Amino acid sequence: DARVTQTPRHKVTEMGQEVTMRCQPILGHNTVFWYRQTMMQGLELLAYFRNRAPLDDSGMPKDRFSAEMPDATLATLKIQPSEPRDSAVYFCASGLAGANYNEQFFGPGTRLTVL
Amino acid sequence: GEDVEQSLFLSVREGDSSVINCTYTDSSSTYLYWYKQEPGAGLQLLTYIFSNMDMKQDQRLTVLLNKKDKHLSLRIADTQTGDSAIYFCAEKKDSSASKIIFGSGTRLSIRP
Repeated sequence: DARVTQTPRHKVTEMGQEVTMRCQPILGHNTVFWYRQTMMQGLELLAYFRNRAPLDDSGMPKDRFSAEMPDATLATLKIQPSEPRDSAVYFCASGLAGANYNEQFFGPGTRLTVL
Repeated sequence: GEDVEQSLFLSVREGDSSVINCTYTDSSSTYLYWYKQEPGAGLQLLTYIFSNMDMKQDQRLTVLLNKKDKHLSLRIADTQTGDSAIYFCAEKKDSSASKIIFGSGTRLSIRP
């Protein structure tokens, strides 16, 4: 049963701390997306990768956020330093570029609370 | 997603039909999608329609696409309590790009 996994599922941290969220895309998928969901802003695309190369990170605050794919099985999203306004649910999704209708498969999300 | 707009809430009685509407801005969009998000979970593709189609039916779901008005709708027949969720409309603008643009989501609640 192939699915996107994310760790941790929940994270509570204090302002100023570093937060690292991890995502394992579905094996064989070559695109990875990071989204943030809040009540006020809805679903925002932060960054996405194709074949491990970042294609678009225009939705990401560059001064504190960074996204990487150390290898094809791991994507990371880091926030340093974290702020209360970063509290949200962060979703990772993966897909296969060039597939017929480009379905994105979402992970269960990481719920981040910054105090 | 300012490019894709949908109303935030819809309440329907169990057994009635639900119709969720969406407008998008890019007439060159190739695919349009409906994703469903259940409480505490990620989004899951519910159905999609290619831009050269007007309608697609899949069991209780009917998708209508009006390209002239850039309007997409999702009709759920015989709405059940399990249909309670947030429904996201989304568009794929560029045939060569992988990313899709999501709307803000419509929260569907079911009344007994």
